[in-house]
Amino acid sequence: GDSVTQMEGPVTLSEEAFLTINCTYTATGYPSLFWYVQYPGEGLQLLLKATKADDKGSNKGFEATYRKETTSFHLEKGSVQVSDSAVYFCALSDMSNNAGNMLTFGGGTRLMVKP
Amino acid sequence: NAGVTQTPKFRVLKTGQSMTLLCAQDMNHEYMYWYRQDPGMGLRLIHYSVGEGTTAKGEVPDGYNVSRLKKQNFLLGLESAAPSQTSVYFCASSFAVAGNWETQYFGPGTRLLVL
Repeated sequence: GDSVTQMEGPVTLSEEAFLTINCTYTATGYPSLFWYVQYPGEGLQLLLKATKADDKGSNKGFEATYRKETTSFHLEKGSVQVSDSAVYFCALSDMSNNAGNMLTFGGGTRLMVKP
Repeated sequence: NAGVTQTPKFRVLKTGQSMTLLCAQDMNHEYMYWYRQDPGMGLRLIHYSVGEGTTAKGEVPDGYNVSRLKKQNFLLGLESAAPSQTSVYFCASSFAVAGNWETQYFGPGTRLLVL
């Protein structure tokens, strides 16, 4: 079945540091890929998405490129802020496997940004 | 708009007790979902609904039942709670439009502890 693997956290960075959170996937078809973010005490919210190979999703200074050849969708940000401290989830949807309307999530990566 | 709301926020149950978690959304979304979140495992889909009066099983449906009698509400029931059901439960909703259902709007979560 489909699966998403993320680097384990927590990731601790100083403010203005460069961020990379790795995400790789396995899927039977050609999935769409997503990053969701969960701020403390809140539900998840969509951060960015990419629906086909070589697409780049971007939002709030975060970027991720859909790399079919390496089955990856790594999240990057050039300069993190304390307010970026959250848990980040990589996810995919794969309509080719008859799973219906299911998102498959990775385990989540906690990011802590220190002033 | 309140978005997606969940009731209750926190509950403690004894093994064998039953309870119902309520999810409500005011965005006129067709699709609704129940997930559980466990440390290091991301979110796993329990059940979902693509419309009023319809429900379907997700990845981990055993021990849970759901009902969608009204479009805006999605109820998750535990008939006989077990310690393995200790988790944080999230409800989400989305539009049915192709290419947009993956943008799911999450509630703040219900923390359940089963003793």
